Amino acid sequence: LAKTTQPISMDSYEGQEVNITCSHNNIATNDYITWYQQFPSQGPRFIIQGYKTKVTNEVASLFIPADRKSSTLSLPRVSLSDTAVYYCLVGVRGSYIPTFGRGTSLIVHP
Amino acid sequence: DAGITQSPRYKITETGRQVTLMCHQTWSHSYMFWYRQDLGHGLRLIYYSAAADITDKGEVPDGYVVSRSKTENFPLTLESATRSQTSVYFCASSERRWEEKLFFGSGTQLSVL
Repeated sequence: LAKTTQPISMDSYEGQEVNITCSHNNIATNDYITWYQQFPSQGPRFIIQGYKTKVTNEVASLFIPADRKSSTLSLPRVSLSDTAVYYCLVGVRGSYIPTFGRGTSLIVHP
Repeated sequence: DAGITQSPRYKITETGRQVTLMCHQTWSHSYMFWYRQDLGHGLRLIYYSAAADITDKGEVPDGYVVSRSKTENFPLTLESATRSQTSVYFCASSERRWEEKLFFGSGTQLSVL
């Protein structure tokens, strides 16, 4: 299972763009990259998933370079409500064990 | 209502007692998972199930038992609760393999005194 490395914490201010990078040096050819968001006292919530290049939805963008050894979750114009823990997961096709690390705790300041 | 529900939301028990945490999903998802979350450890997988009557151990299975007689239910039992099992427990489901998005319940906060 590909191991992921993320910053433990990040700080930002309202209105700024936030980029959280996840390293996954031993990602396999068929692995997907998935990000989840967790608010206090709630279960994680799926944000975005990608395989290569760029994926965008109403919440975030996911940038994956050609070598796929890292990926960046981009949150445009964050607000206080984006304060949460963000988890990066890399999945092996056929594996049934989604593994969450400690995630990145993002704090958005007024 | 459709979704994944956990019960109870909060539970206090004593060391040595048996406790069962319930998880129910209405989507008929094949895969279900149990995680525990502790400060400094993130989410750790306890058990998972690929279908009814198929379960397997995750990262931290010791002291826990699961069953899945029906697709929609995946109860987690602590046979003899210990203080180290004080934690927040989350149940999740996914439609097919894990590449599909996981849907999480709201969690059960368990305190073992």
